[in-house]
Amino acid sequence: SAVISQKPSRDICQRGTSLTIQCQVDSQVTMMFWYRQQPGQSLTLIATANQGSEATYESGFVIDKFPISRPNLTFSTLTVSNMSPEDSSIYLCSVEEELNYGYTFGSGTRLTIV
Amino acid sequence: DAKTTQPPSMDCAEGRAANLPCNHSTISGNEYVYWYRQIHSQGPQYIIHGLKNNETNEMASLIITEDRKSSTLILPHATLRDTAVYYCIVRVVWAGGKLIFGQGTELSVKP
Repeated sequence: SAVISQKPSRDICQRGTSLTIQCQVDSQVTMMFWYRQQPGQSLTLIATANQGSEATYESGFVIDKFPISRPNLTFSTLTVSNMSPEDSSIYLCSVEEELNYGYTFGSGTRLTIV
Repeated sequence: DAKTTQPPSMDCAEGRAANLPCNHSTISGNEYVYWYRQIHSQGPQYIIHGLKNNETNEMASLIITEDRKSSTLILPHATLRDTAVYYCIVRVVWAGGKLIFGQGTELSVKP
């Protein structure tokens, strides 16, 4: 299965700042997704990262707050903009592997806003 | 995608079979049942999926009822390392079909 590398693994940020999270996959994949997991909660899908076009956002998530880039089939970034303490979460990158239709997840970025 | 219902928590004795139920009474004919688990502080891990036949792999077995309205994930010999949150998800399998997580079942395997 695909191997996903997410950077950074964790960070502590000041409110009002922005942070860009990187997701690198060791093989070309068509579908990449970004999830958020707030403390003690399940995973919530933020958006689908589309290669060569704008990301598709889920209800409650907007591009100004979570801009996403997908320059090629192995890489994507998620930026969390103008952060507040409510953005403290784990952010996870995921890819769909077409062979078995299963998703593979990165280990996540644990973000704390102070 | 159809909604799923799982018990919030379950306990299991080490070495015994863990049977995790999932209700998906509104499942459509083209939706698959997927199971993932999330061990603390890690990303979710794919376990198994199926459409209507029972499935087995090296990790677990998936039993889907004939009417497909419910399923059971079976870990045949649970170990302490199986302690995790288990998610049952139904989705249409197509390129870009989204994986939407519910609240899952927190399984505690006890010595």
